[in-house]
Amino acid sequence: GENVEQHPSTLSVQEGDSAVIKCTYSDSASNYFPWYKQELGKGPQLIIDIRSNVGEKKDQRIAVTLNKTAKHFSLHITETQPEDSAVYFCAASLGVAGANSKLTFGKGITLSVRP
Amino acid sequence: DAEITQSPRHKITETGRQVTLACHQTWNHNNMFWYRQDLGHGLRLIHYSYGVHDTNKGEVSDGYSVSRSNTEDLPLTLESAASSQTSVYFCASQGFSGSNHEQFFGPGTRLTVL
Repeated sequence: GENVEQHPSTLSVQEGDSAVIKCTYSDSASNYFPWYKQELGKGPQLIIDIRSNVGEKKDQRIAVTLNKTAKHFSLHITETQPEDSAVYFCAASLGVAGANSKLTFGKGITLSVRP
Repeated sequence: DAEITQSPRHKITETGRQVTLACHQTWNHNNMFWYRQDLGHGLRLIHYSYGVHDTNKGEVSDGYSVSRSNTEDLPLTLESAASSQTSVYFCASQGFSGSNHEQFFGPGTRLTVL
């Protein structure tokens, strides 16, 4: 089955700096890669996703890049703010929806933004 | 507004007892999932369902069961609770079409097995 690795487990940055979180996956058939943000005491929430036919996707201060050859994908957060402090999970699945949509998650990374 | 709810939010039980965690969604989503979250392990899939009367085992299904009798609900049952099942449990739902693929998570249930 799919294995998603996420390193490191914690990341601390100064407010205003950029943060990059990297994940690797094992199954070359995976073609959907979402990122979830989990705030304290809440369930994870989708913040951005990318499909395998796209190399990069941006949404305001966040972006995701995908390297299918190397089987890794990254989350980029620019101009970090204290409210970006949270746990971030990467995930992978064979499909976007339907019967192949079950996600395999990485272990999560705790991002701390220092004021 | 459509939503996904979990109950109870907190539960303390004893080893050997049967426990059922409820999950209810009002989006009319076909797909529903149960995860457990533990420090150092992230989110691990327990069981999932792609529609009424469909259930599938996930990565860590031993000791758990689910049933799907309608679209809205996917209750998770711990047949005989064990201390290793102390965890935070999240339910999620997802539409069945390509344009409606986001998994929406509930607020979680914190279960403690003494």
